[in-house]
Amino acid sequence: EPEVTQTPSHQVTQMGQEVILRCVPISNHLYFYWYRQILGQKVEFLVSFYNNEISEKSEIFDDQFSVERPDGSNFTLKIRSTKLEDSAMYFCASSAGQGIYGYTFGSGTRLTVV
Amino acid sequence: DQQVKQNSPSLSVQEGRISILNCDYTNSMFDYFLWYKKYPAEGPTFLISISSIKDKNEDGRFTVFLNKSAKHLSLHIVPSQPGDSAVYFCAASDAGNQFYFGTGTSLTVIP
Repeated sequence: EPEVTQTPSHQVTQMGQEVILRCVPISNHLYFYWYRQILGQKVEFLVSFYNNEISEKSEIFDDQFSVERPDGSNFTLKIRSTKLEDSAMYFCASSAGQGIYGYTFGSGTRLTVV
Repeated sequence: DQQVKQNSPSLSVQEGRISILNCDYTNSMFDYFLWYKKYPAEGPTFLISISSIKDKNEDGRFTVFLNKSAKHLSLHIVPSQPGDSAVYFCAASDAGNQFYFGTGTSLTVIP
């Protein structure tokens, strides 16, 4: 069964450092997303990406965040200058279409900012 | 601002019995709802969905019920199996890209 792959599974970084989280969505999917879950809290939407541009983003997704699809297969989330409160599980997801298709999530990257 | 709420953080059910997980929402514009299951150290897995034009959707042991007037949906699992033990999230969307997730209910099915 096709799956969304995320690397690394765990990333530890110093506060203020840049971090790039990587995702390989399902190959024929067109919509790509990043969500995050701070420990003990709900899953929160960060950003959606379609047709090589951001289609929607949340208040969390400020200027410190950026996404990119550098080639035909990868989808990355960059945090320019990490803060302690960025520590969370970051989930990438992809879908064939909006709404009715649901998402396929990756297994997540645990980001720990120290 | 929690638009989707799952008020029961945990639920324990005997194997073979029915599990009922509940979810409430506040935004009347939501028209599409999903349930996800999440095991530890894994990403959420899509389970079942329902659109606002229906009040019930069934897939095997899983049935989702939607009560639009009460802004309430529920997931029924019958019969419950130990492998169903996981955290269950409901999520809602107003046909946009963004889904709003509840905080999850941890289901334990006791053998």
